[in-house]
Amino acid sequence: DAGVIQSPRHEVTEMGQEVTLRCKLISGHNSLFWYRQTMMRGLELLIYFNNNVPIDDSGMPEDRFSAKMPNASFSTLKIQPSEPRDSAVYFCASSLDVTDTQYFGPGTRLTVL
Amino acid sequence: KQEVTQIPAALSVPEGENLVLNCSFTDSAIYNLQWFRQDPGKGLTSLLLIQSSQREQTSGRLNASLDKSSGRSTLYIAASQPGDSATYLCAVGSNTPLVFGKGTRLSVIA
Repeated sequence: DAGVIQSPRHEVTEMGQEVTLRCKLISGHNSLFWYRQTMMRGLELLIYFNNNVPIDDSGMPEDRFSAKMPNASFSTLKIQPSEPRDSAVYFCASSLDVTDTQYFGPGTRLTVL
Repeated sequence: KQEVTQIPAALSVPEGENLVLNCSFTDSAIYNLQWFRQDPGKGLTSLLLIQSSQREQTSGRLNASLDKSSGRSTLYIAASQPGDSATYLCAVGSNTPLVFGKGTRLSVIA
């Protein structure tokens, strides 16, 4: 298995632009997690899904952030409009179930100028 | 709200030493605890998962223990090697899937 796949690996954009991050889960996994990592705040859970349904989005910082799972193997995290303070590394992770071991993707490093 | 603390924030040891990384959490109502490794510029790799009913887990030179009542876990690394240099993160599963500590950055000097 190729593991969790994220794209793009790096994204540089200007303030106000829309950014879409993509994640492909490991086949057979039912839970999907989006995290953000910064030096100041460490690794924070943004939102997670189980069986394609969003379970908890309380970590999503603002309405500018949205996440979807259009099918069982794919998810997107969208930021519109982007701001410089959104600059961070965004990880997605998948697991068989919510309480099982999570497998992380390589991350997307986002820079908003 | 669950809070996870890792001490020390950074640690440097000579090759061959045994070492212990510490993790503490505020809410003992957990269902599991995981230790991850993160190399610079990379994602996280799961090392060990301890269920709340377990006291420890072992994998090769790694041993993780869990004391739920005191809100503590330790990761023991035996005979450290330069390849063990990385950041080690502790994560606790409770009412939200995982709450992470900020990690301990380990450097093993050859």
